[in-house]
Amino acid sequence: QSVLTQPPSVSGAPGQRVTISCTGSSSSIGAGYDVHWYQQLPGAAPKLLIYGNINRPSGVPDRFSGSKSGTSASLAITGLQAEDEADYYCQSYDSSLSGVFGGGTKLTVL
Amino acid sequence: EVQLVESGGGLVQPGGSLRLSCAASGFTFSDHYMDWVRQAPGKGLEWVGSTRNRANSYTTEYAASVKGRFTISRDDSKNSLYLQMNSLKTEDTAVYYCARTSGRYYYAMDVWGQGTTVTVSS
Repeated sequence: QSVLTQPPSVSGAPGQRVTISCTGSSSSIGAGYDVHWYQQLPGAAPKLLIYGNINRPSGVPDRFSGSKSGTSASLAITGLQAEDEADYYCQSYDSSLSGVFGGGTKLTVL
Repeated sequence: EVQLVESGGGLVQPGGSLRLSCAASGFTFSDHYMDWVRQAPGKGLEWVGSTRNRANSYTTEYAASVKGRFTISRDDSKNSLYLQMNSLKTEDTAVYYCARTSGRYYYAMDVWGQGTTVTVSS
């Protein structure tokens, strides 16, 4: 069982907006550790999507946005496109400075 | 081009050992913390461990599931990261990725290798 909890799956039609939640605890996200998000396309290595809760690396479309509040974080994707179909993972740290991942969320574009 | 290339994966029997390598290029390897992350077949990502840079005494951290069995090391002169895996169990079967952690990106893993597959089976 992952330290960070994500919904196993979400779906949306092209053009719609979806959100993926990531729930931690007072010893992880709630302790002030940053949350990062990764996108993993089928058969590929993960790719950094959002860092430091809200920031996008160069090249990531502004359709992707992140937020954090208390012990949780969220990833929002607007204007959903077929190529967004992938697995999404949140990642943070815990009080022992161990990295922790969410269980992953499979996004299906209907 | 910034690149990480893993090698050393393969089939090993339970109780055996394996050493993975990760060759870095295109950036100043010695400046960065480095991580190992694994993904069991059909499962999610699992953080394995990390090593800090020289400025931070090459401190290592490990996931509870591998602590005492796995050892992370690095050779900055060779731009290489290693994962020594001992007392392997069937549940260690996974694709193993090395990843660069970047202070610029709030210690997110901003560069990933393509992964190397480890299968633990008799």
